Amino acid sequence: QKEVEQDPGPLSVPEGAIVSLNCTYSNSAFQYFMWYRQYSRKGPELLMYTYSSGNKEDGRFTAQVDKSSKYISLFIRDSQPSDSATYLCAMGSYSGAGSYQLTFGKGTKLSVIP
Amino acid sequence: DAGVIQSPRHEVTEMGQEVTLRCKPISGHDYLFWYRQTMMRGLELLIYFNNNVPIDDSGMPEDRFSAKMPNASFSTLKIQPSEPRDSAVYFCASSLQGQNTEAFFGQGTRLTVV
Repeated sequence: QKEVEQDPGPLSVPEGAIVSLNCTYSNSAFQYFMWYRQYSRKGPELLMYTYSSGNKEDGRFTAQVDKSSKYISLFIRDSQPSDSATYLCAMGSYSGAGSYQLTFGKGTKLSVIP
Repeated sequence: DAGVIQSPRHEVTEMGQEVTLRCKPISGHDYLFWYRQTMMRGLELLIYFNNNVPIDDSGMPEDRFSAKMPNASFSTLKIQPSEPRDSAVYFCASSLQGQNTEAFFGQGTRLTVV
């Protein structure tokens, strides 16, 4: 079983729809959870991050973490054509200075149709 | 700051040739990462440096791959000899030291080995 599983899609929705993107993970040591957005032929950029179970909202975006189920979600309300991109979940743990672990999902390609 | 700068943006080379990818991280960042992205495997961490010191190179696929960071503002990833299966987009990213800090990605180098 891979450490992080993410449905690659593609996912196509009409403008204005609510989008739900999901990842599951197997490593209980993960402490923080991120969503990156990657436009075509660009590098990923951080969209949201959270440490704890529950919801975190930022404008039209809501990140949800359920540590007991090892499941994270990103919700996009009132989706716009400009949201068309690949969304990658990422999760990691930190164990002291110099250490680093951040594991990415494969990404879900989203298209929002006008 | 201009962000993480990678060069070249595109590289096409023949099998067996040496390829050198370059990266300038964001000034003041302590970590530098090299990632490889393919459709099949997603975004994979190859190696990362902390304060110019390689910390974990377990993601480097073979001895044909090597990375250096001679100073805080420059890193290279070299493939010698290159093979067609090395074709991918290679990203460099940098971040500050500390828990849960954002990794900033460059635009990537699209490598094609024919």
